[in-house]
Amino acid sequence: GAVVSQHPSWVICKSGTSVKIECRSLDFQATTMFWYRQFPKQSLMLMATSNEGSKATYEQGVEKDKFLINHASLTLSTLTVTSAHPEDSSFYICSAYFTGELFFGEGSRLTVL
Amino acid sequence: AQSVTQLDSQVPVFEEAPVELRCNYSSSVSVYLFWYVQYPNQGLQLLLKYLSGSTLVESINGFEAEFNKSQTSFHLRKPSVHISDTAEYFCAVSEIGFQKLVFGTGTRLLVSP
Repeated sequence: GAVVSQHPSWVICKSGTSVKIECRSLDFQATTMFWYRQFPKQSLMLMATSNEGSKATYEQGVEKDKFLINHASLTLSTLTVTSAHPEDSSFYICSAYFTGELFFGEGSRLTVL
Repeated sequence: AQSVTQLDSQVPVFEEAPVELRCNYSSSVSVYLFWYVQYPNQGLQLLLKYLSGSTLVESINGFEAEFNKSQTSFHLRKPSVHISDTAEYFCAVSEIGFQKLVFGTGTRLLVSP
């Protein structure tokens, strides 16, 4: 099956710094990728839809200036959490469609101190 | 808009016993339904899906789910579980023709010997 890989899987940063999370489709091209956020014991919440070569589409309530998404190639989308604060600590998951099925990355756990 | 309810946050069961994980959804339009499984430290994997046709869908590892439109349910069942089935199970729904998924809060299946 298709593989979606995220990096880093775990990151700790200081409050006020920015963190970049990468999402790669390893063996297929993805014109569209999705970024989710998962709080402990809660469901995955869709943050934004990342479109290759164009601006991301953000869900209502998600700060686009806070969570910068770039989809510069057909195999890479990045999520940058800018000026991170402790409340941004969460599990971030990306996904991409291939042959009608949605494949997920392993997730990236962000801890902001 | 769609929503998904997984009432059971955790289901403990003994090995070789049957199990049912409940999922109810809400939508004003026709939907696709999915079950995803997340093993520890791994990404989400598609377990099975209902798009159309037979209301009973099966996975390759013995799980099955039945779409019940009148009860707006898509419960997941397995007649005999294994230790290796221990994981988090997520029910999800999408509007037909759209790629965005709405997830439930997940049910942790704990299989003990």
